[in-house]
Amino acid sequence: QSVLTQPPSVSAAPGQKVTISCSGSSSNIGNNYVSWYQQLPGTAPKLLIYDNNKRPSGIPDRFSGSKSGTSATLGITGLQTGDEADYYCGTWDSSLSAGGVFGGGTKLTVL
Amino acid sequence: QVQLVESGGGLVKPGGSLRLSCAASGFTFSDYYMSWIRQAPGKGLEWVSYISSSGSTIYYADSVKGRFTISRDNAKNSLYLQMNSLRAEDTAVYYCARVHSGWSLGYWGQGTLVTVSS
Repeated sequence: QSVLTQPPSVSAAPGQKVTISCSGSSSNIGNNYVSWYQQLPGTAPKLLIYDNNKRPSGIPDRFSGSKSGTSATLGITGLQTGDEADYYCGTWDSSLSAGGVFGGGTKLTVL
Repeated sequence: QVQLVESGGGLVKPGGSLRLSCAASGFTFSDYYMSWIRQAPGKGLEWVSYISSSGSTIYYADSVKGRFTISRDNAKNSLYLQMNSLRAEDTAVYYCARVHSGWSLGYWGQGTLVTVSS
């Protein structure tokens, strides 16, 4: 059971928009930056969003991130078949057992 | 370009030990915090450990605390994970990653598979 909660799957048609939610608590999302990762089948994860809403160089602006309270959201517009992947949110947890935490992952299907 | 290459994975019996290495290139290794993350077959990501640029600050997941030791050799541009008292539930692909900002993980290696089985 993951510390951060994501929906197991989402789907949308090519060209549409999709959002993926990530819910946590005050010890993690509520007081720390959130990052998002894309994992294409058979490959290592790739950083999409860091510090809640910043994109590393090379990541298209179709990908966006936001945070409110103890929840965060990844948005993807103009969906492409190449966006089919698993998406993970992650952050630091400042509780007694301090450390990194991830969501359980969301499988995006582009219909 | 930034490259992270893990090695040292393999098949080990329960209770055994293994040492993973991560060779870094394309950046000033001693400037960056580093981390190990693992992914069990068909499962999600699990953070394992984190080490500061100098090695003075280290964190571990509760699931590996007391069994795993993270270390680094800045002169050799290398990150290590010593894994002792291995269990079946440690079976996973182990990734090393470079910290980008805060805790986010900007660059990942291709991973090395560790299988714990009798």
